[in-house]
Amino acid sequence: AQSVTQLGSHVSVSEGALVLLRCNYSSSVPPYLFWYVQYPNQGLQLLLKYTTGATLVKGINGFEAEFKKSETSFHLTKPSAHMSDAAEYFCAVSRITGRRALTFGSGTRLQVQP
Amino acid sequence: AAGVIQSPRHLIKEKRETATLKCYPIPRHDTVYWYQQGPGQDPQLLISFYEKMQSDKGSIPDRFSAQQFSDYHSELNMSSLELGDSALYFCASSPRDRAGNTIYFGEGSWLTVV
Repeated sequence: AQSVTQLGSHVSVSEGALVLLRCNYSSSVPPYLFWYVQYPNQGLQLLLKYTTGATLVKGINGFEAEFKKSETSFHLTKPSAHMSDAAEYFCAVSRITGRRALTFGSGTRLQVQP
Repeated sequence: AAGVIQSPRHLIKEKRETATLKCYPIPRHDTVYWYQQGPGQDPQLLISFYEKMQSDKGSIPDRFSAQQFSDYHSELNMSSLELGDSALYFCASSPRDRAGNTIYFGEGSWLTVV
């Protein structure tokens, strides 16, 4: 079975500081990986995804993530945090064959301090 | 652009009652997913459909049933409601039941069981 682990249920950064949200996956074969963001009382919005090709993936709102097979990681970064980035972030994985639905990590709540 | 439409957005039911949630996927999307997100938890897959056939089955209780209709909309029927069923229920859709395709989420339906 595949799964993702998000290290840190809460991350707090200052406005303008680097954002780093960690995600490690567990899978017998490299899966497809996703980052979603959830603002309060809203649905899930896709930030970015990795399927094949370039391992550095750029998403919306200035976020990017790098797929590192050797480290089984897919960490999400943003060079400079903005107050509007405060939200819950979910890393998710899907198999490349068979069951294709997303399996989510436990989420990381990002707080941005002024 | 059209998004995934869920109705109702909020509903309150008493224990042992029945509730039905509806989902209208993005046009030309033939795959629908239902997720349940408890308070402070990550979304958990309940069930998914591709071309009106069940595709994935997650942690859906026997009290729940779902189907996808000829126009691709889907309904989640929940009976004998329990307090623990109180959650945010997401519907999501994608263009094909193929791994790596972006899954788009609706705003969710808040169910409160009292």
